[in-house]
Amino acid sequence: GNSVTQMEGPVTLSEEAFLTINCTYTATGYPSLFWYVQYPGEGLQLLLKATKADDKGSNKGFEATYRKETTSFHLEKGSVQVSDSAVYFCALTISSGNTPLVFGKGTRLSVIA
Amino acid sequence: ETGVTQSPTHLIKTRGQQVTLRCSSQSGHNTVSWYQQALGQGPQFIFQYYREEENGRGNFPPRFSGLQFPNYSSELNVNALELDDSALYLCASSSRRDRSSYNEQFFGPGTRLTVL
Repeated sequence: GNSVTQMEGPVTLSEEAFLTINCTYTATGYPSLFWYVQYPGEGLQLLLKATKADDKGSNKGFEATYRKETTSFHLEKGSVQVSDSAVYFCALTISSGNTPLVFGKGTRLSVIA
Repeated sequence: ETGVTQSPTHLIKTRGQQVTLRCSSQSGHNTVSWYQQALGQGPQFIFQYYREEENGRGNFPPRFSGLQFPNYSSELNVNALELDDSALYLCASSSRRDRSSYNEQFFGPGTRLTVL
């Protein structure tokens, strides 16, 4: 089946630190990969996506590269800010066919000044 | 352009009761998906509606049911509420060319349901 595994949190970093949140996946078929962010009290917002191997998604200083050989899509940011404090979800869907988004359990990030 | 909206924001029910949650899709979108997000977990797919017909269902019992209206808004109904139904219920809308195509989903803010 399709599943996503991401590193468990919480992750606490100081402002301007480097962030990595690991995500690996299993998929029957060719997945598209996503990172969503959920700020306190809000719904999910799409942060970035990649639809084929070696694609790099990027947005707001965050990046993730679709690595088919390692079935991974790790999220990185070079210098986090307090405003990045949120829960981050890795997700996949199979591009061809009618499959819903499959999410990981989420990783809570707290950035302290 | 209006985004995805959900109502109510919060809801408290007791075991055995029934609840209806509502979702207005983003303008131009014909597909609505519902997800359940338990505390500390990722969202789990409940079902999807495409052009007023169910278009896929996750591993949820039949007491979870839904509707999509001609204006593409949607309802999620849950009968015989259980304590484990306490969760954030998220609605997402998208615009599909057909039943099997994929397009980006836009999420609403969710309805927080508490079952006592």
